[in-house]
Amino acid sequence: DGGITQSPKYLFRKEGQNVTLSCEQNLNHDAMYWYRQDPGQGLRLIYYSQIVNDFQKGDIAEGYSVSREKKESFPLTVTSAQKNPTAFYLCASSMTAFGVAGESWETQYFGPGTRLLVL
Amino acid sequence: SQQGEEDPQALSIQEGENATMNCSYKTSINNLQWYRQNSGRGLVHLILIRSNEREKHSGRLRVTLDTSKKSSSLLITASRAADTASYFCATVLQTGANNLFFGTGTRLTVIP
Repeated sequence: DGGITQSPKYLFRKEGQNVTLSCEQNLNHDAMYWYRQDPGQGLRLIYYSQIVNDFQKGDIAEGYSVSREKKESFPLTVTSAQKNPTAFYLCASSMTAFGVAGESWETQYFGPGTRLLVL
Repeated sequence: SQQGEEDPQALSIQEGENATMNCSYKTSINNLQWYRQNSGRGLVHLILIRSNEREKHSGRLRVTLDTSKKSSSLLITASRAADTASYFCATVLQTGANNLFFGTGTRLTVIP
């Protein structure tokens, strides 16, 4: 059963605590992404990784860290430096498709999300 | 910011009616994609339209793209209560990485 999974579904963080959100995929995708979604808003990119052992900052990377030691896994750590961590966090993966004329495109496959709340 | 803007922010229609959502963006794109999100869930890819395409169909979905106006529309025909969700457009820029830039979404409610 292929797909992308996130755990836990709900996570509570105390003041000054680091917490780690899990994201696993068995789709054999090279690229993985982390997004943050605030109520009534679109998605904002936190970090992305195009290949194992490499990752890049997105638009709102401050207060977050990631690792990509395995192709299947892309955990996100919300550090104590992130002062407003309450949000819905979505992980995605993608692979590149190619057309007959040499064009390329990617579509992203999303996990079910983790809702992070601050105690 | 490249982030797109959807219009309207919220839309409420009767079952069986058509729903039209619009998306505008700022920078030249490689492609534009539409995603759906049920409340509290992940996003699901619906359809992709490339910059050299003007219209695309998939089942009850019809997407148009006007690169001169930097806008796209998503039409859902013969809507069903199960279509109730938020719909997001996302753009991939013409240059650089294949990252998606998401709009703010349209919340569609289909009343049975």
